[in-house]
Amino acid sequence: SQQGEEDPQALSIQEGENATMNCSYKTSINNLQWYRQNSGRGLVHLILIRSNEREKHSGRLRVTLDTSKKSSSLLITASRAADTASYFCATDGTSGSRLTFGEGTQLTVNP
Amino acid sequence: EAGVAQSPRYKIIEKRQSVAFWCNPISGHATLYWYQQILGQGPKLLIQFQNNGVVDDSQLPKDRFSAERLKGVDSTLKIQPAKLEDSAVYLCASSGAQGAGELFFGEGSRLTVL
Repeated sequence: SQQGEEDPQALSIQEGENATMNCSYKTSINNLQWYRQNSGRGLVHLILIRSNEREKHSGRLRVTLDTSKKSSSLLITASRAADTASYFCATDGTSGSRLTFGEGTQLTVNP
Repeated sequence: EAGVAQSPRYKIIEKRQSVAFWCNPISGHATLYWYQQILGQGPKLLIQFQNNGVVDDSQLPKDRFSAERLKGVDSTLKIQPAKLEDSAVYLCASSGAQGAGELFFGEGSRLTVL
């Protein structure tokens, strides 16, 4: 079964607004990753946050991790039309090295 | 640095036919993954190789799917016979890290089974 569950399933915003996507998971993890997938393309790694980290930044991306709530959020600030894509969280459970993906959030940024 | 190469990009077959997908990972990456992504869903791991050994194939439908990684480099995923529910994108990824570090994905092979 899928480890991560993203929320919302779909999000539509205007260019310049911030976009927040959430991910919840069920079991203990070593790390959590976020990936982006443009339509018809492969996945691209965005950011990795380890279980002992609470927040991480990369450019316009901010990721938080709350291991007590088993949840993470991805914030994209000042969104652009080019940010339109599906975003997936992926978790690496402590029991093994398998990286398990959630169902994704489809983000649409309207110009 | 060249990325993960996959072929073919698109394949249409009739049910009960066979199909094979090829993947060439990033040079030097020891870990190779095959994921199945059904439309509107997240990728699901089919098989993971470490060099040319299988690490995890617990979700591979072994009655119809097979995969090999020759000499710890290229890999081939085969489906025989194909079913309608096998229609999906088959993604290959590689990683240079021990365990589940950053994965580098190819563009995928889209399979349509009629």
